[in-house]
Amino acid sequence: DTGVSQDPRHKITKRGQNVTFRCDPISEHNRLYWYRQTLGQGPEFLTYFQNEAQLEKSRLLSDRFSAERPKGSFSTLEIQRTEQGDSAMYLCASSPPGQSYEQYFGPGTRLTVT
Amino acid sequence: AQSVAQPEDQVNVAEGNPLTVKCTYSVSGNPYLFWYVQYPNRGLQFLLKYITGDNLVKGSYGFEAEFNKSQTSFHLKKPSALVSDSALYFCAVTGAGSYQLTFGKGTKLSVIP
Repeated sequence: DTGVSQDPRHKITKRGQNVTFRCDPISEHNRLYWYRQTLGQGPEFLTYFQNEAQLEKSRLLSDRFSAERPKGSFSTLEIQRTEQGDSAMYLCASSPPGQSYEQYFGPGTRLTVT
Repeated sequence: AQSVAQPEDQVNVAEGNPLTVKCTYSVSGNPYLFWYVQYPNRGLQFLLKYITGDNLVKGSYGFEAEFNKSQTSFHLKKPSALVSDSALYFCAVTGAGSYQLTFGKGTKLSVIP
């Protein structure tokens, strides 16, 4: 059973550097989501794709953040000019076509900005 | 705006006793409600959902949840707790037609042998 995979699992970067994360959803899942989770909090929604179209974006997604899903399969999340406040776990989830609504999460990428 | 409240940061229960993890929500229109569990160093796992229909929803690992529209609650329950149920539990909500989940802060469940 191949679940949602994320790469890398951990990333340490210096403030001001750019980072990019990759998410591979479950095969045939047409919806893909990005969330951010900080210590002691629940995940916070960042953005959502249906196939290759980005349909929803949170106000949390500042101009330094950009997400793509060019062929409707894997997705990337890029953070430019990282800040210490960007340190968090970045979670990716996917869900199948139809009205099931449940989302299946990957293991996350832990970002530490020093 | 939609929101979720999990009023207890931690719940302690003895093994074999029933457990309840509380969740209340606020959303426009009909709610779609979810419970997820997070084990240490592992991703969020889907437990159960309420979309429509019977107010008592059954999910994975013997968990169930009761939807109460008048109290805007969706409490997670299990008749007999196991030590292996110890984990962090998150309640989430979205409104009909939206796929943006809003999560609570989580409740840490500790089952004491």
